[in-house]
Amino acid sequence: GQQVMQIPQYQHVQEGEDFTTYCNSSTTLSNIQWYKQRPGGHPVFLIQLVKSGEVKKQKRLTFQFGEAKKNSSLHITATQTTDVGTYFCAGRGTGGFKTIFGAGTRLFVKA
Amino acid sequence: DAGVIQSPRHEVTEMGQEVTLRCKPISGHDYLFWYRQTMMRGLELLIYFNNNVPIDDSGMPEDRFSAKMPNASFSTLKIQPSEPRDSAVYFCASSLRTGGNEQYFGPGTRLTVT
Repeated sequence: GQQVMQIPQYQHVQEGEDFTTYCNSSTTLSNIQWYKQRPGGHPVFLIQLVKSGEVKKQKRLTFQFGEAKKNSSLHITATQTTDVGTYFCAGRGTGGFKTIFGAGTRLFVKA
Repeated sequence: DAGVIQSPRHEVTEMGQEVTLRCKPISGHDYLFWYRQTMMRGLELLIYFNNNVPIDDSGMPEDRFSAKMPNASFSTLKIQPSEPRDSAVYFCASSLRTGGNEQYFGPGTRLTVT
């Protein structure tokens, strides 16, 4: 079945450093979504990518969708302590409405 | 809108007891999802509904788990009998078919089975 792999599992950075998390699917995706979960909270939607090679930006966050629509990345420039949390990618296959979440990357930011 | 509402927020029960988790999706959303989150297994999709009809329940771990959606504004996830390995945070999420399809998660129910 469809699998979504996400790396790294954890990332410790100094405030001001950049951060990237990568997501890979075993099958071609119709879209990919990114969510952020703060410690003790629930996942909150950040963005959705649909087109091959798509790049979207939200302030210091840059999201990319691969040309083959099987991988994606989230890059944060100049991390801040408010960026702390777990970032999940979630891929939807080409059939149905089922979305598979990656294992998440937990980001720790040291001030 | 109040967002997705889940109850209870915390549940502690003894092994063998029946547990019922409740969810009220965002009004107008036609998809409802139940997830389970643990450190070991991450965020797992258990089942999802479209217009109150179960579409995919392949993630339901075993027959002890059942989910219903009697109407557009209410869903339940029941575990009977509960076991310690069912301890997890259970999230309900809802979504619209149109638009961005993003899922809106509720605050979750933290279940502890002793």
